Amino acid sequence: GQSLEQPSEVTAVEGAIVQINCTYQTSGFYGLSWYQQHDGGAPTFLSYNGLDGLEETGRFSSFLSRSDSYGYLLLQELQMKDSASYFCAVIKQAGTALIFGKGTTLSVSS
Amino acid sequence: GAVVSQHPSWVICKSGTSVKIECRSLDFQATTMFWYRQFPKQSLMLMATSNEGSKATYEQGVEKDKFLINHASLTLSTLTVTSAHPEDSSFYICSAGPGQGSNEQFFGPGTRLTVL
Repeated sequence: GQSLEQPSEVTAVEGAIVQINCTYQTSGFYGLSWYQQHDGGAPTFLSYNGLDGLEETGRFSSFLSRSDSYGYLLLQELQMKDSASYFCAVIKQAGTALIFGKGTTLSVSS
Repeated sequence: GAVVSQHPSWVICKSGTSVKIECRSLDFQATTMFWYRQFPKQSLMLMATSNEGSKATYEQGVEKDKFLINHASLTLSTLTVTSAHPEDSSFYICSAGPGQGSNEQFFGPGTRLTVL
């Protein structure tokens, strides 16, 4: 089987830093992606890691350790608009579909 | 970034009818598109991989005769929910990637299906 584990909920205040962890167990691994989804909307791409290490894109960073089957999404300088669901997703082979984790609901308060 | 559209954005139908959902890649060609289903407060579950010019590949537990997929061109894939029932009510989302070394998948805006 395959599984992607991430916390179900995280709460934080504006301006804070939040880390959302993802551990995965899949029959094949090519890379780890992160997506954001607001209520009623479609997922939007945030970041991708194919190799170990940190990828930084503005306020968001993502990290991958292939040997630990572990990654995280780091959100800095949180804003109210960051309140959403965040999904980690594994790509098992290039060009194949995403296998999504169960998602983490982030609530940012003022 | 690349754009994927879906039509309709929402649909309400009676039990027993069929509903067709279109997924288009607007500014790139996609030999492969993916169809996902998302129930409220749950994750996206892959239903099938749509391959241009050939049969779709369905995930375990997804009835291929109920969820008909056609990928007749490099920019269009359709999902037809046949003989829909209330338990088929869900959010259906397609995705495609521009390929060419990119690992990013672009999602359509989704179609909310409600079966009465």
